[in-house]
Amino acid sequence: SQQGEEDPQALSIQEGENATMNCSYKTSINNLQWYRQNSGRGLVHLILIRSNEREKHSGRLRVTLDTSKKSSSLLITASRAADTASYFCSHRGDMRFGAGTRLTVKP
Amino acid sequence: EPEVTQTPSHQVTQMGQEVILRCVPISNHLYFYWYRQILGQKVEFLVSFYNNEISEKSEIFDDQFSVERPDGSNFTLKIRSTKLEDSAMYFCASSVTGGADTQYFGPGTRLTVL
Repeated sequence: SQQGEEDPQALSIQEGENATMNCSYKTSINNLQWYRQNSGRGLVHLILIRSNEREKHSGRLRVTLDTSKKSSSLLITASRAADTASYFCSHRGDMRFGAGTRLTVKP
Repeated sequence: EPEVTQTPSHQVTQMGQEVILRCVPISNHLYFYWYRQILGQKVEFLVSFYNNEISEKSEIFDDQFSVERPDGSNFTLKIRSTKLEDSAMYFCASSVTGGADTQYFGPGTRLTVL
């Protein structure tokens, strides 16, 4: 597969809890990006991590990258109902997305 | 903050008709993209465009589709003879550089083919 694959497919948590979702890929990468999509809306870029970085933070987001395992994880801390969305990873210019992780945060 | 815009937000057309979906990328961006998302399914790459030509296209982007940058600001997707299965959200995106650079997405055009 040429696309990132996210897991789990769906994740349901309570507000305030942390959410962790994972991405695996098969080829070598220059960087990897995480995007969010609210239902029926366009994708919003969240964070980019380069292949020589192991961890990156942005607000409540923490992304890790393990190039030896060809995997990345996105952690959302202290989740809010507004974080309810689908989350995707991508490492290619032509952005061949996987099915994403559907996160539901219950108030 | 600059953003990608798309018009119309919703387009309804009859099967067999031609439609043109319009996008205005961010002004200093050089790479442009179209994606499609059928309801309930994943976002699918259609085509990328740079320097006035297609740089890559997917198997979905057949002869019924074409893209154009008719002037310095617009980027269009034309579907020549729409089919029922073309009903989807169509997203435009742009980036400064290609490769795996950050892409900025528009809000999408919902195309409904009757």
